[in-house]
Amino acid sequence: EIVMTQSPATLSVSPGERATLSCRASQSVISNLAWYQQKPGQAPRLLIYGASTRATGIPARFSGSGSGTEFTLTISSLQSEDFAVYYCQQYNNWPRTFGQGTKVEIK
Amino acid sequence: EVQLVESGGGLVQPGGSLRLSCAASEFTFSNSAMTWVRQAPGKGLEWVSTIGGSGANTYYADSVKGRVTISRDNSKNTLYLQINSLRAEDTAVYYCAKDWAYFGYWGQGTLVTVSP
Repeated sequence: EIVMTQSPATLSVSPGERATLSCRASQSVISNLAWYQQKPGQAPRLLIYGASTRATGIPARFSGSGSGTEFTLTISSLQSEDFAVYYCQQYNNWPRTFGQGTKVEIK
Repeated sequence: EVQLVESGGGLVQPGGSLRLSCAASEFTFSNSAMTWVRQAPGKGLEWVSTIGGSGANTYYADSVKGRVTISRDNSKNTLYLQINSLRAEDTAVYYCAKDWAYFGYWGQGTLVTVSP
């Protein structure tokens, strides 16, 4: 099973600042990596797939990068609606596995 | 717009069984693999199971293998998850999601609580 490790667990950021979230895979997943955003009481929302392709309707301030075992989600200028929990997920192998999440909170 | 609506959750005693359903609409259901993902209270996301469009191929997490059966009825555009021998650690919101790789569409979830 591929273990996905996200860091940090919590990120405190002021509105308008940049946020950088990391995700590491225990073995290569090539570019088969997705990012999701989840707000309390809501289902997850797909942000990024293929490590760097934004899903439909996702604002350009969200960007993904990386390949192999190291991945990054960057939010260029945090808006109030971006404070949430973010998960990475690999789909290169079975079982599909998620990271434990990074909570982005208001500083 | 793709719609996924889960149902069937509730309170069940340890050792009991439950069948969850996910009604799908606004896409060609039989052409799409479907997936169940769960989330324990206050915890992260856990992939549970995936089924191919025809139903011939199924995949399970080790944590549920042998206790869970994923199935689908393409004539009814409905996905199912049968969970047997329920344990406290199965307490979670269960989401159905479209596709087998990454998940662009999710239902609102149905809560399963396992408690005496």
